[in-house]
Amino acid sequence: GQNIDQPTEMTATEGAIVQINCTYQTSGFNGLFWYQQHAGEAPTFLSYNVLDGLEEKGRFSSFLSRSKGYSYLLLKELQMKDSASYLCAVRPSGGYQKVTFGIGTKLQVIP
Amino acid sequence: DTGVSQDPRHKITKRGQNVTFRCDPISEHNRLYWYRQTLGQGPEFLTYFQNEAQLEKSRLLSDRFSAERPKGSFSTLEIQRTEQGDSAMYLCASSPARGTSGGASEQYFGPGTRLTVT
Repeated sequence: GQNIDQPTEMTATEGAIVQINCTYQTSGFNGLFWYQQHAGEAPTFLSYNVLDGLEEKGRFSSFLSRSKGYSYLLLKELQMKDSASYLCAVRPSGGYQKVTFGIGTKLQVIP
Repeated sequence: DTGVSQDPRHKITKRGQNVTFRCDPISEHNRLYWYRQTLGQGPEFLTYFQNEAQLEKSRLLSDRFSAERPKGSFSTLEIQRTEQGDSAMYLCASSPARGTSGGASEQYFGPGTRLTVT
C-alpha cells in the first residue's frame, strides 16, 4: 500500500519562498506528482518527478529523493493567487495507474 | 473548450436512489480515471479505463458502484442505492498514453460532480 504525509496547512507572505514537504512509504514506486487545487476547483498538474533531484518550472520547483521517500515543492516569489491546496501523489511501479494522493497542504498567502 | 467535462455539476438525491454521472474526456486521451474527494482530503482513486477496458478498480468501489466506458470515449459512473456516506465530489480525469514529464501521464481533471445524499 501507499502512505503519504504532508502538512495540512501552511501560511507564507507574498513575495516570499515556501517549501511544502511530502514523505511517502510505498510498496512500489514509479514517480511522484504535485498538483495544485484551488478551493472548489479541480486539481491541476504541476510536476512529475521520477529521478532524484530538483526540477524547475518557472516559480515552481519540485525535488525528489527516492532513497529517503521524500519530496518537496518549492514556490518562489509567492503571489496571492498561489493560495490553494497542494497535493502530493505517488504513482506505483509495475505499470499500474492507481495514483494515491495525500490529503493536501492548504497554503495561505498573506500580504 | 477542449478540456474534460462532467455532467451534472451538482446532484442532490435522496438516500436509496440511483444516480449516474457522465464524463467526457479530452478527445485524444485514451486513459480515463474516476476519483472521489471529500472535504479536506485528497482525491481517492476509484477506477481506471484504458480505451474501453476497465483495468483497475479500487477496493473502495463497492458493488453499488459501477463504471463503464463504451467505445472508449465518454464514461459513466453509476451509484445504486445511494447512502449518505456517498456524498462527495466525484472527479473524472483523462490522460494521454504518454505525458510530457518523463513519459508519465499527467492527468487532466474535470470540474467534478458534487453529490449530496439527503
